[in-house]
Amino acid sequence: DTAVSQTPKYLVTQMGNDKSIKCEQNLGHDTMYWYKQDSKKFLKIMFSYNNKELIINETVPNRFSPKSPDKAHLNLHINSLELGDSAVYFCASSQDVTEKETQYFGPGTRLLVL
Amino acid sequence: AQSVTQLGSHVSVSEGALVLLRCNYSSSVPPYLFWYVQYPNQGLQLLLKYTTGATLVKGINGFEAEFKKSETSFHLTKPSAHMSDAAEYFCAVRLGGTYKYIFGTGTRLKVLA
Repeated sequence: DTAVSQTPKYLVTQMGNDKSIKCEQNLGHDTMYWYKQDSKKFLKIMFSYNNKELIINETVPNRFSPKSPDKAHLNLHINSLELGDSAVYFCASSQDVTEKETQYFGPGTRLLVL
Repeated sequence: AQSVTQLGSHVSVSEGALVLLRCNYSSSVPPYLFWYVQYPNQGLQLLLKYTTGATLVKGINGFEAEFKKSETSFHLTKPSAHMSDAAEYFCAVRLGGTYKYIFGTGTRLKVLA
């Protein structure tokens, strides 16, 4: 069973379109994250939700809107896509912030904006 | 503010040789430290982590790392490289009690036959 899954795996779209990426975790974790990995492999946190509440909101354009309908799901909606949004988007989850906590990553969604 | 520096964006070693990937951190208090591996077209997988206790940490696939507070370092090593170790490696830090991870820029390991 896949612990953290993302759909779609690949997404090719035109500039100006609106698209969504979905993430689901079956680990029973309370916290979920979205990361963006650019073409140089630099990985940066975008958002984090804990028990459906937004706890991390980095400097991200407001065209990006995360939504957490329940603890097991964290979706990312992107409005008016731009060329610079092309990247790999990773979802991750973790249980808590204790020292035992480990973050698990999904396989990534490769977004290409033309 | 915390930060992570990985020296060397590309490292090449011969099969069977020692692997050494460098990571230095900056933090006002000792953070939790992590090494992740990313194989092509895949997500990140945890190799090992240091939180408290023994400073030499052993991980999966024969990797280990040593936390050196005096040097603010957490270098990753493996005695003998295998072809299957070729991947991108990321060092990351997190302050205890917080959810935010800071990742380094990654080191691509190439293993030569």
